[in-house]
Amino acid sequence: AQSVTQLGSHVSVSEGALVLLRCNYSSSVPPYLFWYVQYPNQGLQLLLKYTSAATLVKGINGFEAEFKKSETSFHLTKPSAHMSDAAEYFCAVTARAGGTSYGKLTFGQGTILTVHP
Amino acid sequence: DSGVTQTPKHLITATGQRVTLRCSPRSGDLSVYWYQQSLDQGLQFLIQYYNGEERAKGNILERFSAQQFPDLHSELNLSSLELGDSALYFCASSASGTPDTQYFGPGTRLTVL
Repeated sequence: AQSVTQLGSHVSVSEGALVLLRCNYSSSVPPYLFWYVQYPNQGLQLLLKYTSAATLVKGINGFEAEFKKSETSFHLTKPSAHMSDAAEYFCAVTARAGGTSYGKLTFGQGTILTVHP
Repeated sequence: DSGVTQTPKHLITATGQRVTLRCSPRSGDLSVYWYQQSLDQGLQFLIQYYNGEERAKGNILERFSAQQFPDLHSELNLSSLELGDSALYFCASSASGTPDTQYFGPGTRLTVL
């Protein structure tokens, strides 16, 4: 079965500082990986996804993530945090093809990002 | 706006009752997914439908059922409600049943008293 672990349920940064949100996955074969953001009282919005093209994936709002197979990681970064980045971020995994995990997203527990002025 | 709509936005009901949550996918999307978000369980996949047929099942209780209609909208039925069913229920849709981007609706917040 696939799983995702997000290290750190809360991350706090200053405005303008680097944002680093950690995600490690467990899968027998490299899966598809996603980062979603959830603002208060809203649904989930896709930030970026990895589907086996380039290992460095660029997303919306200046975020990017790098797929590292050797480390089974897919960490999310942003060079300079903005107040509007304060939200909860979810890493998710799904199987490439076949099997009971096909299509469904398995989410990590989420990381709440706080940005201080 | 993802293009996925969910109604109602909020639902307050009593234990033992039955409720129906409705989801309309993005135009052209054939696949609908239901997820439950709660403080103790996080975001959990419940069930997926593709073009009217059940495609995958997750941790969905027997008291819960879903269906997708010919016009592709979907309903999630929750019965014999318990306090622990209080959660945010999300619907998502994607173009196909393959690992494609899933677009999430705003959710229905269910409170069971």
